[in-house]
Amino acid sequence: DGGITQSPKYLFRKEGQNVTLSCEQNLNHDAMYWYRQDPGQGLRLIYYSQIVNDFQKGDIAEGYSVSREKKESFPLTVTSAQKNPTAFYLCASSPGTSKQETQYFGPGTRLLVL
Amino acid sequence: AQTVTQSQPEMSVQEAETVTLSCTYDTSESDYYLFWYKQPPSRQMILVIRQEAYKQQNATENRFSVNFQKAAKSFSLKISDSQLGDAAMYFCAFLLGHEKLTFGTGTRLTIIP
Repeated sequence: DGGITQSPKYLFRKEGQNVTLSCEQNLNHDAMYWYRQDPGQGLRLIYYSQIVNDFQKGDIAEGYSVSREKKESFPLTVTSAQKNPTAFYLCASSPGTSKQETQYFGPGTRLLVL
Repeated sequence: AQTVTQSQPEMSVQEAETVTLSCTYDTSESDYYLFWYKQPPSRQMILVIRQEAYKQQNATENRFSVNFQKAAKSFSLKISDSQLGDAAMYFCAFLLGHEKLTFGTGTRLTIIP
């Protein structure tokens, strides 16, 4: 099946710990995105990547890092510098870098702080 | 910066009836896309419908249709023949270029059997 997978479904982080959220797609999409969703709010962009080995900060990049070594993969690391990491994290992808293309979402990862 | 406003935090509708969810946005651009996404209890974001701003014709997808009023910057979603499976959070979103989607805060839709 073609689609976007995210793992794990639930993730627990201890104080001072870095954790990495996985996002993989087999849709042959060029662009990938990470969003954060807090209760009662819409999604906010953390990072996005339009091509391998390149990525840009979104609106709330502080305390997060990403890499894009392969077209299929766009992992997000939540570092200890992120003081309020508890949220639902959604990964998305879109077909290419031409403008205004629909973004499709994965099932999400729920991150909780112990 | 673009903003998206959904003024109805919650809506309810009887099964088989029709409901309209409201969305307004603010932009100075003329070429953009608008979307409605559905987020059921599983929390995955599912595309419902999209509208290209340069098209005057309103988009439709089966029971879902939009009323796109470009001058008024309004983009409402109409769901006809509501079904129990339509219960979810609905988010309106704006896309300019190939960067981020700007989302509204969502409308929780309840279907009454």
